[in-house]
Amino acid sequence: EVKLVDSGGGLVQPGGSLRLSCTASEFSVNKYYMNWVRQSPGKGLECVSVIDYTGGTFYADSVKGRFTISRDSVSNTLFLQMNSLRAEDTAVYYCARGSPGGMSYNNRMDVWGHGTTVTVSS
Amino acid sequence: EIVLTQSPGTLSLSPGERATLSCRASQSVGSNFLAWYQQKPGQAPRLLIFGASSRATDIPDRFTGSGSGTDFTLTISRVEPEDFALYYCQLCGTSAYTFGQGTKLEIK
Repeated sequence: EVKLVDSGGGLVQPGGSLRLSCTASEFSVNKYYMNWVRQSPGKGLECVSVIDYTGGTFYADSVKGRFTISRDSVSNTLFLQMNSLRAEDTAVYYCARGSPGGMSYNNRMDVWGHGTTVTVSS
Repeated sequence: EIVLTQSPGTLSLSPGERATLSCRASQSVGSNFLAWYQQKPGQAPRLLIFGASSRATDIPDRFTGSGSGTDFTLTISRVEPEDFALYYCQLCGTSAYTFGQGTKLEIK
């Protein structure tokens, strides 16, 4: 079964760090665009970071310079390193599979993890 | 930055009725880059439509996406009980990944 399992969320103090993981089954994270999307309590969706099959990256302005997306082909896992966390980063974080590699654009998110909750609070 | 505005905010319908959800972009966007998602409480979003009109895998044909330029529409021909949920449009493509604020489809 094609699926994503995300983990690593928790409670962290402002200014702290957290690393989220997302392990893929039945497909390779290296062969697709891969995305991190967050949803704040009671609010809508925000795409915070994308990595394409060449390793190119995208970051939302709200996280640029603080978050780093990466992947590991051996464990077939996507990561999101989050530093200098702020209260406004509190959200459910989802990883999502994007378009197949080889496409010149990433125009869909067709497989989603169940989400992992990040709470930034003192 | 392109802003996506969805309307109405809430749509109240009875099962069997036709639902029309709108997504308007603040400037023209390529049809290749417009997607629609459904989200139910406590669940991750589910891809319905990509490329403005291509149905995702296993999505029933009562869901239809259309539009171009700045105006896009998601139509549910006959709403089923399981369709009552939140719906988001998304600009998803070259360095732009904006979501609309959502339309809630609720039972009348």
